[in-house]
Amino acid sequence: QVQLQESGPGLMKPSETLSLTCTVSGSSIRIPYYWGWVRQTPGKGLEWIGSFLHSGTTFYSPSLKSRVTISEDTSKNQFSLKLSSVTAADTAVYYCARAGSGSYRHWFDSWGQGTLVTVSS
Amino acid sequence: EIVLTQSPGALSLSPGERASLSCRASQSISSDYLAWYQQKPGQAPRLLIYGASTRASGIPDRFSGSGSGTDFTLTIRRLEPEDFAVYYCQQYGWSPQTFGQGTKVEIK
Repeated sequence: QVQLQESGPGLMKPSETLSLTCTVSGSSIRIPYYWGWVRQTPGKGLEWIGSFLHSGTTFYSPSLKSRVTISEDTSKNQFSLKLSSVTAADTAVYYCARAGSGSYRHWFDSWGQGTLVTVSS
Repeated sequence: EIVLTQSPGALSLSPGERASLSCRASQSISSDYLAWYQQKPGQAPRLLIYGASTRASGIPDRFSGSGSGTDFTLTIRRLEPEDFAVYYCQQYGWSPQTFGQGTKVEIK
């Protein structure tokens, strides 16, 4: 059974770059399934950030595309999220997740527990 | 992007009752690319339904999904105590994939 665990700083200052890592166990990120990031705020609810397929396509939400990078480290079976120039609006619980298929049209069937990131001066 | 509108915002029901949750899309979702999730406080969303009507692995058959085009429904046949939670729909037919704002099913 796949398990995902997010890690990263809980508190950040405006204009900094958020960096989160998702450690995957019970499955390899090399399998032909998408992996992604979703965040949740009280105001905007659940928001998809982006997804990637090992050694294949990576795509992002247009609203965040200019600030987001998702990358993978197969040697550690991890993938990461970087979000630059954060503001208070980026305060959210960030989830990593595995998609239910290898199609770019995908739902998420396994989720990490989430990590709260607060942006405050 | 496609906007998903869930109704009602909250539903007060008793255990054993039937729950019917609606998700309406701002434009047609091709091939029923719609999923439903359950979320309890402090937990991640849990996949219930994908493809509009296919139950995810391990999901009890009291949960069912239906609909097509722009109108979708999640039905919980007989509410169990553990079913009181917030439910979200998600469309993944159009990029960016989007989520509804949620329906809270609370104990009456």
